[in-house]
Amino acid sequence: KAGVTQTPRYLIKTRGQQVTLSCSPISGHRSVSWYQQTPGQGLQFLFEYFSETQRNKGNFPGRFSGRQFSNSRSEMNVSTLELGDSALYLCASSRDSNTEAFFGQGTRLTVV
Amino acid sequence: LAKTTQPISMDSYEGQEVNITCSHNNIATNDYITWYQQFPSQGPRFIIQGYKTKVTNEVASLFIPADRKSSTLSLPRVSLSDTAVYYCLVGTVMDSNYQLIWGAGTKLIIKP
Repeated sequence: KAGVTQTPRYLIKTRGQQVTLSCSPISGHRSVSWYQQTPGQGLQFLFEYFSETQRNKGNFPGRFSGRQFSNSRSEMNVSTLELGDSALYLCASSRDSNTEAFFGQGTRLTVV
Repeated sequence: LAKTTQPISMDSYEGQEVNITCSHNNIATNDYITWYQQFPSQGPRFIIQGYKTKVTNEVASLFIPADRKSSTLSLPRVSLSDTAVYYCLVGTVMDSNYQLIWGAGTKLIIKP
């Protein structure tokens, strides 16, 4: 079966701009989680969506937001980009929170 | 809130058994312990999950003592392709929601 697909794979944006990242989960998976990964901070949880509802949220500012559609596809939006937002953004899907999570290859965002 | 502590890096040789130990002193009664593997420029990949005693699958074993304050991931007969970062995670329930708390990861380097 197809894995988790994230688009785009690479992105370069300018400070102050906004960006939208997309994640298509594995068919049948209703939980989608987003993570930010940087060399200095490691993997940090952003938020989780389940059946179109944000079920859990990490400690990130309100500039980071997301949503999930009825087909479980999810988008993450970052507004007013800062240089420190440069990172690998990973999406993971699972049947539910406490089951095996499958990760996409990530979107590498560079803010200049 | 449960946190995980694991060695920053480890070296071993092909054909050897590698054991990576993780401590999670504040693990709660209902928390699960999960390990993921990550290669550069890829998302993490699930290895194994356990609650207590021993769990074994086709790629690894997970040993959890009775007090559950630590766990050991055992990789039998490693090869060069096992060079990766290994994350020990604790799944914890917060406000009725399940969340994975990611550790800093152990960089495992396998030498020929």
